[in-house]
Amino acid sequence: QQKVQQSPESLIVPEGGMASLNCTFSDRNSQYFWWYRQHSGEGPKALMSIFSNGDKKEGRFTAHLNKASLHVSLHIKDSQPSDSALYFCAELSGSFNKLTFGAGTRLAVCP
Amino acid sequence: DMKVTQMPRYLIKRMGENVLLECGQDMSHETMYWYRQDPGLGLQLIYISYDVDSNSEGDIPKGYRVSRKKREHFSLILDSAKTNQTSVYFCASSSANSDYTFGSGTRLLVI
Repeated sequence: QQKVQQSPESLIVPEGGMASLNCTFSDRNSQYFWWYRQHSGEGPKALMSIFSNGDKKEGRFTAHLNKASLHVSLHIKDSQPSDSALYFCAELSGSFNKLTFGAGTRLAVCP
Repeated sequence: DMKVTQMPRYLIKRMGENVLLECGQDMSHETMYWYRQDPGLGLQLIYISYDVDSNSEGDIPKGYRVSRKKREHFSLILDSAKTNQTSVYFCASSSANSDYTFGSGTRLLVI
């Protein structure tokens, strides 16, 4: 079983709508979390990180972390077709900045 | 422009052949990684290198080895490739704040 569980597997939202992606971790000692985005044919690119409970907003993207429930989420406001991609959450653990990734959520934003 | 470069982009090999995947970075990052990406599994860590000739196994190292003789280069070697090693392989490097930069990937088909 994946240590990092993502849901949903896929998501379709209309252009201008809100996309909500979820992630659950199994390690209560995890301190640092990342969201990555991967467009087709490319490598993943870092979107944002979060390590404090609560919300962190960067433009149209808001990450939310609740360490007690081992849950982190990403909300994309005013979704654009260019947001269509595979989104990964990842937890940072151990030394050497090791990231453990979830299986990903595929987002499609339809015009 | 800071980047991670992977060669080749596409590779077809026969079962039992040796495979060399190469990766370079121009950011002087100490730490580099090799991941493989398979549908439904996300990114799985194969090896970490925290400097020249200082390598550590990741979560799925079996069937792989690595070489890092210069800080900017990190190679992944498959001795006697197997069909279940067909995958997309990503190299990454990270800064001290755990921000990973990924390459564009090598798509390997073992027939």
